[in-house]
Amino acid sequence: AQSVTQLGSHVSVSEGALVLLRCNYSSSVPPYLFWYVQYPNQGLQLLLKYTSAATLVKGINGFEAEFKKSETSFHLTKPSAHMSDAAEYFCAVTFSGGYNKLIFGAGTRLAVHP
Amino acid sequence: KAGVTQTPRYLIKTRGQQVTLSCSPISGHRSVSWYQQTPGQGLQFLFEYFSETQRNKGNFPGRFSGRQFSNSRSEMNVSTLELGDSALYLCASSSGLAGQETQYFGPGTRLLVL
Repeated sequence: AQSVTQLGSHVSVSEGALVLLRCNYSSSVPPYLFWYVQYPNQGLQLLLKYTSAATLVKGINGFEAEFKKSETSFHLTKPSAHMSDAAEYFCAVTFSGGYNKLIFGAGTRLAVHP
Repeated sequence: KAGVTQTPRYLIKTRGQQVTLSCSPISGHRSVSWYQQTPGQGLQFLFEYFSETQRNKGNFPGRFSGRQFSNSRSEMNVSTLELGDSALYLCASSSGLAGQETQYFGPGTRLLVL
């Protein structure tokens, strides 16, 4: 069965600091992995996705993530946090044959302080 | 291109009532998925419709049902509402051709059951 674990329900960083949000997955078949962001009172917006083309994936707003099969991880990073990055971030997994059933992690709320 | 739209945005119902939520996908998209988001359970997959057929279903009771019309618009219905059904209901659309495709989310319908 597929599952996603996001370590740390709350992460706080200073503006300009590195952002690191952790995601580990469990899947018995090759996964497709996604990071979504949710701002208050809004839906989910795709940041980036891994679909086996390249292990280092670049997304919008300066975010990137690296797929590491040996560690079953797909951590999200951004070199320099901006105040506008404050939001909730969700890691999700699906797989070929799973059609569009996304399995989400519990989410990490990112706070950015001056 | 217009994004995914959901109506209504907010809804207040009482226990025992039923409710119907609507989702209009991005033009050309044939797959619509529904998710429930609550503080306690997080984001959970309800079901997916593709070309008017339910293709995938999550672990929700039969009170939760859905359908898709020939123009790909989808509705979900919850009968005999319970307090625990209070949640943000999100729909997402994609072309539906493969599991790795991006799902685009609407802003959600926030349902409050009193």
